[in-house]
This record gives sequence, C-alpha cells and structure tokens, in this order.
Amino acid sequence: RKEVEQDPGPFNVPEGATVAFNCTYSNSASQSFFWYRQDCRKEPKLLMSVYSSGNEDGRFTAQLNRASQYISLLIRDSKLSDSATYLCVVNLAGGFKTIFGAGTRLFVKA
Amino acid sequence: DGGITQSPKYLFRKEGQNVTLSCEQNLNHDAMYWYRQDPGQGLRLIYYSQIVNDFQKGDIAEGYSVSREKKESFPLTVTSAQKNPTAFYLCASSLRKDYEQYFGPGTRLTVT
Repeated sequence: RKEVEQDPGPFNVPEGATVAFNCTYSNSASQSFFWYRQDCRKEPKLLMSVYSSGNEDGRFTAQLNRASQYISLLIRDSKLSDSATYLCVVNLAGGFKTIFGAGTRLFVKA
Repeated sequence: DGGITQSPKYLFRKEGQNVTLSCEQNLNHDAMYWYRQDPGQGLRLIYYSQIVNDFQKGDIAEGYSVSREKKESFPLTVTSAQKNPTAFYLCASSLRKDYEQYFGPGTRLTVT
C-alpha cells in the first residue's frame, strides 16, 4: 500500500461545478497536511495547509479526518483556471519525512 | 522579491557527463530539498538539508551529490552513475523541516 494515495482521475467537470478530492494516508504518525496544485510542466504551488478543524480559503475547503486517515479538498464554483493536478502532501512526526501523493488531475470545461 | 531560483530551465547533456543544477533561495529558510519528477509520476526526494553543512539522503540518492556551504544555496550534481537522469528536477525550501515547502521553477534535464 502506498503511503499516500490519491485517485489519479482525471476529473472532468463543467464550469461552476463542485468537485471533491480525497487523499488517504497510511501512517498514523502523520503530523501536518497540505494541498498543492501543479500546472502542466510547472512547479507545485502551495494551495493550502489542512488544519484539524478544517479550513476554508475562498472557494476551497480542506478537511482532515484523523480517525479515518484521510484529507479532502472541495472546490466550489469551478473555474477554467482551476484545471491542474492537485497533490496531497503529508509530513510525518518525528524524523524527517514528507510524502507527496501522485496527484489528481482536474479538467474544468466551459 | 523573495523566492527560489533554479537555473538553467532546460539542460541537455551527453551520457557520461556530470552536470550541476543550481538552486538559490533568499527566503532565509533553513531547510532545502531536491526532488525528481518523471512524466505522470509523483515527486521523489533525492536529498535534503536541514542546516548549512549538513545534508541527508532521500529515497533515490544514488547517482546524485549535493553540498550546502551557504544557507542560500543547495546545488545538485547529477553524476554519470545515475542510470536514468532525464527528468524534471525541482528544488524546494521551507522555514524549518516539517513546514510547508516552496518550490523553484524546476530544471528539465535531458541526457542523450
């Protein structure tokens, strides 16, 4: 089993749709969590950190479920510019380990 | 402007040649990292450094070497021992280990 797993997609949605991505992690010692977006042939860019109580940034909402060991990202009112690959990132506590998921590809169409 | 720079953006080399990729940051971050990304795949950690003059191997360090003589700089050398060096190389930094990482624009290395 991979340490961080994401549905590779692609997710094809119309503009204005709501789309949700899930990410599961296997190590219960995971300490901090992030979502990044990566455009084609570009570097990953931090989208948002994920906090235990859940957090929102505009149209984006991130949730953490420690009991079930998954994090989610909800995008409301999708824009064409949201088309990208979304990477789930997990940091393990103690020792140094950052694990990147392989990403979920999103296409938003007019 | 604060940020991370990598140069060059594209690099072409012949097999058997060593090549050094540059990574500089002016964010005053302690930790720096090198990743490799192959088409359609996730990022894999090559090396990381938590502090000047210290660095540790990541998951795929074979065939690579690094140095961290200055806080701002973390160059990566791809040696001829690396069997499949053609890839997209990404440098990142974070304030401390376990903090969110910020990436440079990457270097696309092609070895023929």
